[in-house]
Order: sequence, then C-alpha cells, then structure tokens
Amino acid sequence: KNEVEQSPQNLTAQEGEFITINCSYSVGISALHWLQQHPGGGIVSLFMLSSGKKKHGRLIATINIQEKHSSLHITASHPRDSAVYICAAGNFGNEKLTFGTGTRLTIIP
Amino acid sequence: NAGVTQTPKFRILKIGQSMTLQCTQDMNHNYMYWYRQDPGMGLKLIYYSVGAGITDKGEVPNGYNVSRSTTEDFPLRLELAAPSQTSVYFCASSYVQGDNQPQHFGDGTRLSIL
Repeated sequence: KNEVEQSPQNLTAQEGEFITINCSYSVGISALHWLQQHPGGGIVSLFMLSSGKKKHGRLIATINIQEKHSSLHITASHPRDSAVYICAAGNFGNEKLTFGTGTRLTIIP
Repeated sequence: NAGVTQTPKFRILKIGQSMTLQCTQDMNHNYMYWYRQDPGMGLKLIYYSVGAGITDKGEVPNGYNVSRSTTEDFPLRLELAAPSQTSVYFCASSYVQGDNQPQHFGDGTRLSIL
C-alpha cells in the first residue's frame, strides 16, 4: 500500500466544472505539497500546506490533519488546467517527499 | 533567473555505457534532489544533498552516484547503464531553514537505455 494515495487516477470534465482531486496519506507529515506536471513534463509547485486552506487564483488546497486527507479544488476549470496533479507528503525531520502517483486531469472545451 | 537547469533533455544510451546528468540552480538553495519518474509510478528519490560536500541516499540509489562540490551543481552519474534505468529524471532544489519549503524542479531528462 502506497503511503500517499490519490484519487481519482484520471478525471475528464467539461470546461467550467468544479474539480476536486483527493489525497490521503498514512505517514506523519510536516507539510503536504501539491504539484502540477504540464503535458510537456515540467513540474511546478502549486501549494505547500500544513493546516487549513490556501487559495491561489482558481485553485484551492485544503488539508485535514486528523483525517490525513487533503483536497485540491479547481473552480471554473479551463482546458489550460489539463495536467497531472501530484500530491506529496513532506516528512518530519528532513526534506524528503513521498509522492502520490498523480491524477491526470483533462478539461474538454 | 534560470531556476533549475538540467542537461541534456534527451539521451539514448547503450547498455553498459556511462553518463552524467547535469543539474545546476541559481537560487542559492541549500537542498538539492534527484528523482526518477517511471510510468504510472510516483516520483522516487534517488539521492539528495543538504549542502556542498554532503550527500545521502534516497529510496532508489542503486546504480547511481552523486557529488556536490558547489552549492549550484548536483550532477548524477550512471556508471553502467541498465535497461531498468530507462526513466525521466528530475532535479529539484529548495531553500531549507527549519521548515519544509517548496521544491523547484528542472524540466527533466528523458533517458532511454537500449
């Protein structure tokens, strides 16, 4: 069993829909990272959070420490949001990350 | 700022050949990492470094070596390439002073071993 699990693995939605991607982790963490991997392969850090909620533009990330669960939401989705979204758990005491396998999101115009 | 720069972007090697994947960052980050990404799998940590002269193994270090002689550079060496090392390799860096910090990634090196 992976220490970090994401769902769904694949998600296709129409432009404008509200998107939710889930991440559950079984390890103790110091922070939860959300990353975006573009179709060309580059990886960008979107959020790093250890409690509560963060918002950047149309993206919102939440975390529930007690339930060991985080969600990434995209409001008013757009085809340019099509990418693989990866969550990663940051371990206590060092900077190593444990990665989920990613959620491939496709937004259809 | 260029951020994290990886070279080459693509490479095909024959079994048994060796090569060095280059990684340099211009953000004065103290931590640097090498990951590999295989299809359908999460990124796996190969090696990491917390500063010049200090390196440590990650989850999948076998078949690889690293060095960190300067803050900027963190090359990854494959000594005897094997088909199992066919993967996409990412270098990343972060500035760590107590707390977790976001990692900045290079664009990746796609390596095929034939």
